[in-house]
Amino acid sequence: AQTVTQSQPEMSVQEAETVTLSCTYDTSESNYYLFWYKQPPSRQMILVIRQEAYKQQNATENRFSVNFQKAAKSFSLKISDSQLGDTAMYFCASTPGGGTSYGKLTFGQGTILTVHP
Amino acid sequence: DTGVSQDPRHKITKRGQNVTFRCDPISEHNRLYWYRQTLGQGPEFLTYFQNEAQLEKSRLLSDRFSAERPKGSFSTLEIQRTEQGDSAMYLCASSLVSGQGDYGYTFGSGTRLTVV
Repeated sequence: AQTVTQSQPEMSVQEAETVTLSCTYDTSESNYYLFWYKQPPSRQMILVIRQEAYKQQNATENRFSVNFQKAAKSFSLKISDSQLGDTAMYFCASTPGGGTSYGKLTFGQGTILTVHP
Repeated sequence: DTGVSQDPRHKITKRGQNVTFRCDPISEHNRLYWYRQTLGQGPEFLTYFQNEAQLEKSRLLSDRFSAERPKGSFSTLEIQRTEQGDSAMYLCASSLVSGQGDYGYTFGSGTRLTVV
């Protein structure tokens, strides 16, 4: 079984600044995938970034990047040049890379991020 | 294809009534998932299908919950004899899972159920 923990219930940042959201996970799988999802207020959840565990290189998507520390089982999300539209709840999630639960996501509790003008 | 569609968006029902939700996934996706999300929490897995086969159902799910995906297209989630504890957002998602990797879910907008 996989577990995902987000220890920051709420974070805030000024517009144009950088913020980092934390996530730790636990898994017995040798291969797995990690994701960050964004859920804006009253809007649907969308995928922000994806990381394959067997890849050493940290994933990046425009202003979003991750710091993947496999040994520490840590997967933090860095948002650079924060924008008002980044205000949302952010979820870290993981899935095994094979087996019967391949593709089934386990989510963390979420972090509410507020970007202030 | 405009993404994952869920219907209805909102449902208010009296305790003890049955409700049914529908999800239309992205047509190219082979997996369909149902999750439940309560306010301020992360989504909790309910069940998922690969094509028309239901591959896993959460042990937390009581027998009052049932899901179908006839012909591997749309899916329905039915809750019988609703209870106030069933009040939540019910999320549907689809994905394309293959030997080449998992590229994440596309979520629908959800169905918000309120049991009064």
